[in-house]
Amino acid sequence: QSALTQPASVSGSPGQSITISCTGTSSDVGGYNYVSWYQQHPGKAPKLMIYDVSNRPSGVSNRFSGSKSGNTASLTISGLQAEDEADYYCSSYTSSSTLRVFGGGTKLTVL
Amino acid sequence: QVQLQESGPGLVKPSETLSLTCAVSGYSISSGYYWGWIRQPPGKGLEWIGSIYHSGSTYYNPSLKSRVTISVDTSKNQFSLKLSSVTAADTAVYYCARQIEMATIPVHFDYWGQGTLVTVSS
Repeated sequence: QSALTQPASVSGSPGQSITISCTGTSSDVGGYNYVSWYQQHPGKAPKLMIYDVSNRPSGVSNRFSGSKSGNTASLTISGLQAEDEADYYCSSYTSSSTLRVFGGGTKLTVL
Repeated sequence: QVQLQESGPGLVKPSETLSLTCAVSGYSISSGYYWGWIRQPPGKGLEWIGSIYHSGSTYYNPSLKSRVTISVDTSKNQFSLKLSSVTAADTAVYYCARQIEMATIPVHFDYWGQGTLVTVSS
């Protein structure tokens, strides 16, 4: 069982917006602004999409945005495109001895 | 452009030690950052294994700590992973990655290697 909870799957049609949630505790998501999101296409390495809750690395589309409320972080993808179909993982720093935790991953299907 | 490349045996026997190396190009490890290992069992999610600071300080996932050693060789600009007493449960794609530091805290991973599949089987 992953330390952070994500929905197993979400789906949306091209052009629509979807949101993926990531729920933790006050020891990780709720306590620090060190939440990051990764996109992983099949057979590929994860790619950093969002860091520090809401910052986008250079080169990542502004269709991707992140936010946090309490112990839940969210990744929103607007204007869905076929290429967005992938697995998405959240991750957070944690004050526990584990230091870094990941969510179980969410499979995004673009209908 | 920072690039990372994992290398090592793709097949390891149960009870033996898994050894992987991550060669870094485009950035000098001795200049800074954390350098980490993450694994992903087939069809499953990501698990952080551990990270090493450029100075040599290490941080390990408590669930693996008793079996893991991460080291750095700045002369070769590479860092390594050793995981002892492996079982079938250690079969996974192993990734190396650069980890950003914020106020001495290791945070997100910004550059990743392509990953290497290690199978534990006799």
